[in-house]
Amino acid sequence: GAVVSQHPSWVICKSGTSVKIECRSLDFQATTMFWYRQFPKQSLMLMATSNEGSKATYEQGVEKDKFLINHASLTLSTLTVTSAHPEDSSFYICSARGDRDYEQFFGPGTRLTVL
Amino acid sequence: GQNIDQPTEMTATEGAIVQINCTYQTSGFNGLFWYQQHAGEAPTFLSYNVLDGLEEKGRFSSFLSRSKGYSYLLLKELQMKDSASYLCAVRDSNYQLIWGAGTKLIIKP
Repeated sequence: GAVVSQHPSWVICKSGTSVKIECRSLDFQATTMFWYRQFPKQSLMLMATSNEGSKATYEQGVEKDKFLINHASLTLSTLTVTSAHPEDSSFYICSARGDRDYEQFFGPGTRLTVL
Repeated sequence: GQNIDQPTEMTATEGAIVQINCTYQTSGFNGLFWYQQHAGEAPTFLSYNVLDGLEEKGRFSSFLSRSKGYSYLLLKELQMKDSASYLCAVRDSNYQLIWGAGTKLIIKP
């Protein structure tokens, strides 16, 4: 199956700093990428849908100025958590849609801890 | 509103069979997915059903009844490595995935 990578796999930062997470589709072109957040013992929560070359579509309740998404190419999308606070500590997972629309491949996730 | 229901937790014995049910109410239907997620890891794709019936893939099978808004994931010959959360997700009329809360499956020797 297709491979999606995320970097970094984990990050610890101080409150108030910004953190950038990269999501790459390694062996296929992903016109659509999704960003999810998952708190412990909870299901995935879709944050935003990003299409290459256009602005991301954010879910209700997700602050677009806090969670900046850039999908500049068919293989790379980035999520920047700006001015991170402890409540932003979570597991962030990206996924990419392949050629066949029912396929969605997940990255390994990034665990963010804000002190 | 849109809703996906699945049991919170199930326990089964190594070598046995377990069935995880999922019922859904969504605005439109464009397929149902099952994912496996081990603790601290991202989900991995298990199955996709868009037509009624049973899809078999090795030890795992998934069933769908669109008229009943119902699916199940059947795991046979359970192994300890099958201990994980199993997520049911339905794609609605907007092609957006609606996720269930997941079923934590505990396998005992």
